[in-house]
Amino acid sequence: KNQVEQSPQSLIILEGKNCTLQCNYTVSPFSNLRWYKQDTGRGPVSLTIMTFSENTKSNGRYTATLDADTKQSSLHITASQLSDSASYICVVSAGYQKVTFGTGTKLQVIP
Amino acid sequence: DTAVSQTPKYLVTQMGNDKSIKCEQNLGHDTMYWYKQDSKKFLKIMFSYNNKELIINETVPNRFSPKSPDKAHLNLHINSLELGDSAVYFCASSRGRSGEQYFGPGTRLTVT
Repeated sequence: KNQVEQSPQSLIILEGKNCTLQCNYTVSPFSNLRWYKQDTGRGPVSLTIMTFSENTKSNGRYTATLDADTKQSSLHITASQLSDSASYICVVSAGYQKVTFGTGTKLQVIP
Repeated sequence: DTAVSQTPKYLVTQMGNDKSIKCEQNLGHDTMYWYKQDSKKFLKIMFSYNNKELIINETVPNRFSPKSPDKAHLNLHINSLELGDSAVYFCASSRGRSGEQYFGPGTRLTVT
């Protein structure tokens, strides 16, 4: 069964600090992995997408890593800002027709 | 504005009613999706259309029927609404079946 598990479930950090969110998956066959940011009351917005051959991808202060051997990904946020407060969702695709969403990590950045 | 739009944003209705949610994208994408996000914030895909053809139909009650009049629109019709249908429904679109998905703002459906 295809599954995507994220940890921690929620996280509170001080503004300016770094943090790392984890994603473990059992999706097969692996096609790509995306990280989305979802602000409260809005739709998810894509941050990064990685295929099997990519092991790191950056988007500003967001850096995603992928270890296809251990089926793990992480999203590192550098120098957090209040606007980073949101849910972060890991999404893994198995070919064209199977997309599995993680349950998300809710991040709160406090001043 | 180039985007994925949904109407209505909020929908409150009684059990047993039939309702529709509309979705339009002007990004020129050929694939559109409907997702349901429950109270635990878990997103689950319901339907996917590519070039107006259904390519994904997850285990969804047949009370839910998607309609794609053209590549830019994918509407969701729900018959005989139940309390458990209360959720936020998101429409999304992408270029190709594995392209980046762009999400609409969501429709919060409340069934009383």
